[in-house]
Amino acid sequence: RKEVEQDPGPFNVPEGATVAFNCTYSNSASQSFFWYRQDCRKEPKLLMSVYSSGNEDGRFTAQLNRASQYISLLIRDSKLSDSATYLCVVNPTRVSWGKLQFGAGTQVVVTP
Amino acid sequence: DTEVTQTPKHLVMGMTNKKSLKCEQHMGHRAMYWYKQKAKKPPELMFVYSYEKLSINESVPSRFSPECPNSSLLNLHLHALQPEDSALYLCASSQSGGRSSGNTIYFGEGSWLTVV
Repeated sequence: RKEVEQDPGPFNVPEGATVAFNCTYSNSASQSFFWYRQDCRKEPKLLMSVYSSGNEDGRFTAQLNRASQYISLLIRDSKLSDSATYLCVVNPTRVSWGKLQFGAGTQVVVTP
Repeated sequence: DTEVTQTPKHLVMGMTNKKSLKCEQHMGHRAMYWYKQKAKKPPELMFVYSYEKLSINESVPSRFSPECPNSSLLNLHLHALQPEDSALYLCASSQSGGRSSGNTIYFGEGSWLTVV
């Protein structure tokens, strides 16, 4: 089993629609969680950190479910510019600091 | 715009060449990283420097040699590379060089390396 798993997609989303996808992680002791977005041939950029209580940043909402060991990302009112690959990133434990675990990414394609 | 700057953006080198990738950050971060990313794959960790000391080497072949001249700079020296080493090389930094959680990393734009 992979340490961090994501549905690769692509999720084809009409402009203005809502899309949500999850990421599961295997290490229950994982410390912190992030969503990054990566455009084609560009570097990953931090979208948001994911907090235990869940957090929202504009049209983006992230949730953490420690009991089931997954995090989710929801995008409301999708824009064409939201088309990207969304990487789930997990900071496993204090002992393995520095060794972030990356999911393979979920591709989102927003269509007009 | 990223505050981690990498040069060059693109590099083509022969298998017998020696070249270097450079990375600079001015955020006062104490940890710096090199990642390698192949197409349609997530970044793979290569090296981590914490407070200018090499703290993680993910069993990277010796043809890749990292160097951290000071807290703001990180180099990756390349020698006798193979065509399969062609990839996007990403530098990143994070605030803490210690064992703290919640440590957000920030990536540079990357250096596209082609080995011919």
